[in-house]
Amino acid sequence: RKEVEQDPGPFNVPEGATVAFNCTYSNSASQSFFWYRQDCRKEPKLLMSVYSSGNEDGRFTAQLNRASQYISLLIRDSKLSDSATYLCVVTANQGGKLIFGQGTELSVKP
Amino acid sequence: NAGVTQTPKFRVLKTGQSMTLLCAQDMNHEYMYWYRQDPGMGLRLIHYSVGEGTTAKGEVPDGYNVSRLKKQNFLLGLESAAPSQTSVYFCASSSTFMGQGIYEQYFGPGTRLTVT
Repeated sequence: RKEVEQDPGPFNVPEGATVAFNCTYSNSASQSFFWYRQDCRKEPKLLMSVYSSGNEDGRFTAQLNRASQYISLLIRDSKLSDSATYLCVVTANQGGKLIFGQGTELSVKP
Repeated sequence: NAGVTQTPKFRVLKTGQSMTLLCAQDMNHEYMYWYRQDPGMGLRLIHYSVGEGTTAKGEVPDGYNVSRLKKQNFLLGLESAAPSQTSVYFCASSSTFMGQGIYEQYFGPGTRLTVT
């Protein structure tokens, strides 16, 4: 079993749609959780951290369920510019190391 | 402020050749990392460093060596390149682990390596 697993995708949605990405992780000792965004052939960039209480940043909402070892990302009112691959990321046991999911590709169409 | 830079951006090697990838960061970060990214596999950690003069193995270290002689630089070496090492290589850096969480990792633009 992979340490971090994401929806395989790709997700093809129209502009204005709401889309949700799911992610599960296997290491119950993981302490920090993130969503990164990666545009085609570019480097990953931090989209948002994920907190136990859930957090929102504009059209983006991230949720964490430690009991189920599950992370989600909700994007409301999708824009063409949201088209990218979204990477679910958790910390490993040892400080400073991140474990990346394989990514879920999102394509927002006019 | 350049952030994280990588050299070169593209490279084609023949099997058995060697090369060194250079990563430089100007943010005074303690932690530096080398990842490879292959289709359908996500980013996999090759080696990392928690400070100048220290390195450690990641998930896929075989066939690679690293050195961190200066805080701002992290070098990745391929001693004898193989076609299986064809990939996109990303370097990243982050601030010191602070207990409850870690700081954001900043990535370089990547090096696209093809081994024929």
